[in-house]
Amino acid sequence: ETGVTQTPRHLVMGMTNKKSLKCEQHLGHNAMYWYKQSAKKPLELMFVYNFKEQTENNSVPSRFSPECPNSSHLFLHLHTLQPEDSALYLCASSQQGPFPDTQYFGPGTRLTVL
Amino acid sequence: KNEVEQSPQNLTAQEGEFITINCSYSVGISALHWLQQHPGGGIVSLFMLSSGKKKHGRLIATINIQEKHSSLHITASHPRDSAVYICAVRHGAQKLVFGQGTRLTINP
Repeated sequence: ETGVTQTPRHLVMGMTNKKSLKCEQHLGHNAMYWYKQSAKKPLELMFVYNFKEQTENNSVPSRFSPECPNSSHLFLHLHTLQPEDSALYLCASSQQGPFPDTQYFGPGTRLTVL
Repeated sequence: KNEVEQSPQNLTAQEGEFITINCSYSVGISALHWLQQHPGGGIVSLFMLSSGKKKHGRLIATINIQEKHSSLHITASHPRDSAVYICAVRHGAQKLVFGQGTRLTINP
């Protein structure tokens, strides 16, 4: 248990569906992250939020829409996805400061797009 | 060519063996992380280091900044150590760049 929870753990959706992934951190951190892990590829950073402000968008298609209502919650809204978007989506949090910080990861949501 | 290269990609060993996983990176970094990912997806941070050596239980991580190389060692390996081990390097304040991972299997 890392203090970062994600729901749902598994999600199957059609290309026309709209769904949302949820992440919650109980660590009092000020930064949250969305990562994508596709089969046989390294982890890819998607979005970074620092104090609820998006500080990085790593050229992610607009069919992925993040939302960070407060420093403890992070959502990833999904719409009109493609089968190649099927992957493990991982959320992480950290306490950013003047020194490199450790990121704590959630268990991930395994997404399958039909 | 990935910015972070790990070797080997797959490693199978017998219980008790000494394990070494290597990570090489191509640009200057502020820190290097070793992560462990178990089947099912959850990732645990093992080490963050910027110089020298760190030890936690049976795990040892070393880094050579001049050679841009890090190693993760596991002593007296056990089947529960079976997982994917991921090296990640940090550039600047936020962004982590990940290696492709090393899948370790320890047979009893």
